[in-house]
Amino acid sequence: AQKITQTQPGMFVQEKEAVTLDCTYDTSDPSYGLFWYKQPSSGEMIFLIYQGSYDQQNATEGRYSLNFQKARKSANLVISASQLGDSAMYFCAMRIDRGSTLGRLYFGRGTQLTVWP
Amino acid sequence: DTAVSQTPKYLVTQMGNDKSIKCEQNLGHDTMYWYKQDSKKFLKIMFSYNNKELIINETVPNRFSPKSPDKAHLNLHINSLELGDSAVYFCASRQSGVSGNEQFFGPGTRLTVL
Repeated sequence: AQKITQTQPGMFVQEKEAVTLDCTYDTSDPSYGLFWYKQPSSGEMIFLIYQGSYDQQNATEGRYSLNFQKARKSANLVISASQLGDSAMYFCAMRIDRGSTLGRLYFGRGTQLTVWP
Repeated sequence: DTAVSQTPKYLVTQMGNDKSIKCEQNLGHDTMYWYKQDSKKFLKIMFSYNNKELIINETVPNRFSPKSPDKAHLNLHINSLELGDSAVYFCASRQSGVSGNEQFFGPGTRLTVL
């Protein structure tokens, strides 16, 4: 069974500091993708970053980087230089890239990040 | 230039009513999804369609009936609405066969059943 675990219901960080949001996953399938989405209070789901299971390097997108540790089955999101606008719910998600699941995402329960001035 | 659109954005209705939510994507994707986000913000897959064919039906009550008239549209009809159906429903789309691409989500439809 596929499972995503986010153990931090809430995180607080001061503006301009870096913050790490934890995500662990469980799957027996060797081919999968890991995603992070941001959901601000306005409700939309915003894609942040993707990491493939066969990717050798950690993914980076601007201030976002994904710390992928395959042996530990972890895919933590690192946000550098936090901004007030980063305050939102963050979801880690996994997609199995083979079989009949056709790209469905398995979501963690999310981490509410609050950035304070 | 909205990629994935949903209508309506808000839906307030009484128990027992029947309602529909519409979803359209203009990205040319072949796969569309419905997700439900409950009051605790947990997101769970409901349905998936690929080229208008139902692929995933994730233990959803049969009061929920998706319909895909073409690849760009995936609608969700809900019969005999119950209080527990109150949630935010997200439509999403993706092009299958490409491992790295993300799903694009619509803005969500907040359904409130009174």
